[in-house]
Amino acid sequence: ETGVTQTPRHLVMGMTNKKSLKCEQHLGHNAMYWYKQSAKKPLELMFVYNFKEQTENNSVPSRFSPECPNSSHLFLHLHTLQPEDSALYLCASRASGRIEQFFGPGTRLTVL
Amino acid sequence: KQEVTQIPAALSVPEGENLVLNCSFTDSAIYNLQWFRQDPGKGLTSLLLIQSSQREQTSGRLNASLDKSSGRSTLYIAASQPGDSATYLCAPISNFGNEKLTFGTGTRLTIIP
Repeated sequence: ETGVTQTPRHLVMGMTNKKSLKCEQHLGHNAMYWYKQSAKKPLELMFVYNFKEQTENNSVPSRFSPECPNSSHLFLHLHTLQPEDSALYLCASRASGRIEQFFGPGTRLTVL
Repeated sequence: KQEVTQIPAALSVPEGENLVLNCSFTDSAIYNLQWFRQDPGKGLTSLLLIQSSQREQTSGRLNASLDKSSGRSTLYIAASQPGDSATYLCAPISNFGNEKLTFGTGTRLTIIP
């Protein structure tokens, strides 16, 4: 148990749907991350938040919209996605001043 | 741009054998390097973190080494067990402050009972 939870664990959506992924950590960490893992490709960093402020956007399309209302919660809002956006979306967190990132179990997203 | 290569892509060995997984990266200006394991359809579990000032790190049957100048890291697993079957990922860490991880595609390890 890493202390990082993600909901839902599985999500199937159509290209016209709007949905949100949620990540929550109660580890007292102040940095949170979204990663995308597509089949046969390396894990890709999407966004980084430090103390609720976005500090990194890795050229992610605007159909992915992150939100970090506080240091314990991170959302990824999805709208008008494409089938190629189907992937495992992983959230991670890190304590300020520390290096190690702790990952959640991921949300398996399928876009039809 | 950092690129990470892990060789081999897949490895099957009988239970009890010692084995080495390799990781190479193109940009040696890294702060640290982290090794993870990922079970099918699951998130990542951190195994070892090697700081740039260290050359190796040990945890139980696992030993990881880091040679920044040559852009290489290895993960040594001693006395392998079926429970070690998973995909192993290495991730050099750069960009102090954001601690960005760059991943390879991993090595899928199968331990044969």
